[in-house]
Amino acid sequence: EVQLVESGGGLVKPGGSLRLSCAASGFTFSSYSMNWVRQAPGKGLEWVSSISSSSSYIYYADSVKGRFTISRDNAKNSLYLQMNSLRAEDTAVYYCARTRTGDAFDIWGQGTMVTVSS
Amino acid sequence: EIVMTQSPATLSVSPGERATLSCRASQSVSSNLAWYQQKPGQAPRLLIYGASTRATGIPARFSGSGSGTEFTLTISSLQSEDFAVYYCQQYNNWWTFGQGTKVEIK
Repeated sequence: EVQLVESGGGLVKPGGSLRLSCAASGFTFSSYSMNWVRQAPGKGLEWVSSISSSSSYIYYADSVKGRFTISRDNAKNSLYLQMNSLRAEDTAVYYCARTRTGDAFDIWGQGTMVTVSS
Repeated sequence: EIVMTQSPATLSVSPGERATLSCRASQSVSSNLAWYQQKPGQAPRLLIYGASTRATGIPARFSGSGSGTEFTLTISSLQSEDFAVYYCQQYNNWWTFGQGTKVEIK
């Protein structure tokens, strides 16, 4: 079964850091670009970051550029999001999602909640 | 940044009726447009990609059309499981989502 499972969410104080992980199974992880998408409570979807299959190309939304770092380990079938200098507005459910060869996001994890609050 | 605008924000439809959702891009995205369905407490689910191609396992009552800046998602006969929030997404120039359309029971 094709599956993505996120972990690492939690409660963190403003200015703090958190590292999210996404474990992939059921497909050849190293062949796909991957993404992080977030959703603030009661709000819509916001694309956060993308990484190509070999990590050659990396993209960030302006809202997180300079604070978040996306990475992957193809040997471990895992995607990561290092989040630093967290702000209250980063509070959201964070989803990892697979890019369907060059276009839409076809597989999504169940999400992990990140709460930034003092 | 390409801005995606969805309308209406909320659509009230009776079961069995047709629902038509719109999505407009601030500049042309060609056919690089996807639609997602999200139910409460669940992750989004890909319905349509390439503006009009149904994803694997998506029922034929879901159809997408349009190109350039104007797109439509049509649900031909709403079933109880179709009441949800629908998002469009462009992937022509990076990735942006619309704000969503909630389809609720009338």
